[in-house]
Amino acid sequence: QSVLTQPPSASGTPGQRVTISCSGSSSNIGSNTINWYQQLPGTAPKLLIYYNNQRPSGVPDRFSGSKSGTSASLAISGLQSEDEADYYCAAWDDSLNGWVFGGGTKLTVL
Amino acid sequence: QITLKESGPTLVKPTQTLTLTCTFSGFSLSTSKVGVGWVRQPPGKALEWLALIYWDADKRYSPSLKRRLTITKDTSKNQVVLTMTNMDPVDTATYYCAHHGRGFDYWGQGTLVTVSS
Repeated sequence: QSVLTQPPSASGTPGQRVTISCSGSSSNIGSNTINWYQQLPGTAPKLLIYYNNQRPSGVPDRFSGSKSGTSASLAISGLQSEDEADYYCAAWDDSLNGWVFGGGTKLTVL
Repeated sequence: QITLKESGPTLVKPTQTLTLTCTFSGFSLSTSKVGVGWVRQPPGKALEWLALIYWDADKRYSPSLKRRLTITKDTSKNQVVLTMTNMDPVDTATYYCAHHGRGFDYWGQGTLVTVSS
């Protein structure tokens, strides 16, 4: 069971906007920034969002992140078929003195 | 350009010790605030953080695996080594090493380690 809680699945049609939630506690999301990772089938995870809402170079602005209290969200607008992947949230946990990940959300583009 | 690559055995027997090496380029592990970490992923399951070593040799371990893990670095060789003792079939997973800057911002391709007799 993961320290950060994500819905196991999400779906949308091309062009739609979808959001993926990530719930934590005061020791992780509540006191540290959150990162989001995209993992395409059969590949290594890729950093999608860092410091809650910053995009690395090359990540389309269709991807955005937000955080409020002990929860965070990843939003994908203008959904495309190539967005079909697993998405993970991650944050440093002050109590565990280490990184914690969410259980992952499998995004299906219908 | 930052790249990382994991190497090590693909098959280990139960109770054996696993040694994985991460060889990287494009950055130095002597640069302030930089680190290299290990994350694993059992087949079909979620990511799990294992260990992290910083430029100043400070180390962090997953509390649940701390007794079995050791992470070290060789700055001159641009390598980080992870050892995990007493391997069990539940440790079967793809093991990734990753550059730690803005979190884990660059990842290796991963190496699948199977634990079986």
